[in-house]
Amino acid sequence: NAGVTQTPKFQVLKTGQSMTLQCAQDMNHEYMSWYRQDPGMGLRLIHYSVGAGITDQGEVPNGYNVSRSTTEDFPLRLLSAAPSQTSVYFCASRSIGLFSYEQYFGPGTRLTVT
Amino acid sequence: GNSVTQMEGPVTLSEEAFLTINCTYTATGYPSLFWYVQYPGEGLQLLLKATKADDKGSNKGFEATYRKETTSFHLEKGSVQVSDSAVYFCALSDLGGATNKLIFGTGTLLAVQP
Repeated sequence: NAGVTQTPKFQVLKTGQSMTLQCAQDMNHEYMSWYRQDPGMGLRLIHYSVGAGITDQGEVPNGYNVSRSTTEDFPLRLLSAAPSQTSVYFCASRSIGLFSYEQYFGPGTRLTVT
Repeated sequence: GNSVTQMEGPVTLSEEAFLTINCTYTATGYPSLFWYVQYPGEGLQLLLKATKADDKGSNKGFEATYRKETTSFHLEKGSVQVSDSAVYFCALSDLGGATNKLIFGTGTLLAVQP
């Protein structure tokens, strides 16, 4: 059981470049989300989705795009990378049952923008 | 809005010492409370949870009690091991459902020395 997988593990971009961070889960979870982790800031929600075709903004959505065409995949796109987007990015998923609490996290992508 | 405040780290302890990591929260309604752990180089994993006042969550020797009167959810362990070295995040969310979101504290780094 792979759980939540993310690729790549590490990435270095130049300012202005674009890229897509991949996230996939094999648990048939309806809810998927992207967080960024910065020192002293904890994890902050970027975007989330409650099912295929449905996405919404989190706390820090600017500069990022998402789409959800399948239940399994939830890619995060950086349209024009900026140094402020240097961070560690985590994808997470969970089911949306009324008493479903646990989010399952991927191993993270460490992104550096120079 | 909802928020979580954790004690700042790093917390450095010797093996077999007693651990307390303080966590307090601000929330409307009756949130669920969580502790997540992040081992070096990995994503976050759910350590324990409590879904109503006076509940005690426990796992791997760690415990935390949901105290509504003091809005606290402090993490404790009676005897830490080197393998407990990690970053610990306190978090809250509304009841499970389609759109509830996790709100994280800033994380507390625990370093256990042999």
